[in-house]
Amino acid sequence: GAVVSQHPSRVICKSGTSVKIECRSLDFQATTMFWYRQFPKQSLMLMATSNEGSKATYEQGVEKDKFLINHASLTLSTLTVTSAHPEDSSFYICSARVPGGDLIGELFFGEGSRLTVL
Amino acid sequence: KQEVTQIPAALSVPEGENLVLNCSFTDSAIYNLQWFRQDPGKGLTSLLLIQSSQREQTSGRLNASLDKSSGRSTLYIAASQPGDSATYLCAVRDNYGQNFVFGPGTRLSVLP
Repeated sequence: GAVVSQHPSRVICKSGTSVKIECRSLDFQATTMFWYRQFPKQSLMLMATSNEGSKATYEQGVEKDKFLINHASLTLSTLTVTSAHPEDSSFYICSARVPGGDLIGELFFGEGSRLTVL
Repeated sequence: KQEVTQIPAALSVPEGENLVLNCSFTDSAIYNLQWFRQDPGKGLTSLLLIQSSQREQTSGRLNASLDKSSGRSTLYIAASQPGDSATYLCAVRDNYGQNFVFGPGTRLSVLP
């Protein structure tokens, strides 16, 4: 299958600071990537759809200024949690959809990033 | 709006048993459906992808079926092993958008 890499896997920060999480597609070009948030023992909540070269599309209730998404290249999307607060502590996961070939349409996920805001 | 449910929420079986996990969706106009497993504190691993024109997909001990008209998919796991213990999620992509809608997952425990 295709490989999506996410970094860092764990990050601890102080309240008020900003944290950047990277999502890379390693062996394919992803015009679209997705960012999810997952609370303990719950399913994934889509936060936004990241489109290469254009603005991200945010789901209802997700603050654009709080969660900045940049998809500057076909293999990299970043999520920046700005002015983080303890309630932002969560597990963030990115995914990318394979645009063509044998795996067309299949969704692959990064390993996730555990954010803890003190 | 597409809604996805999974039954049961949790399942515990002895090693060696065959088992079935269920996934239901409300809007049958789907593009494809994908099954994933998630280990605690980890990302999701893709298991099987079924296109809307397909009825089933198989990979090793896993078999996933799709019945679009009834809005259902099943994941069959043969000869379960303790290493199969994880949360299994199904996700549906409909014809209207790019993203997938996820079910809440089934937490599977296979006891040695």
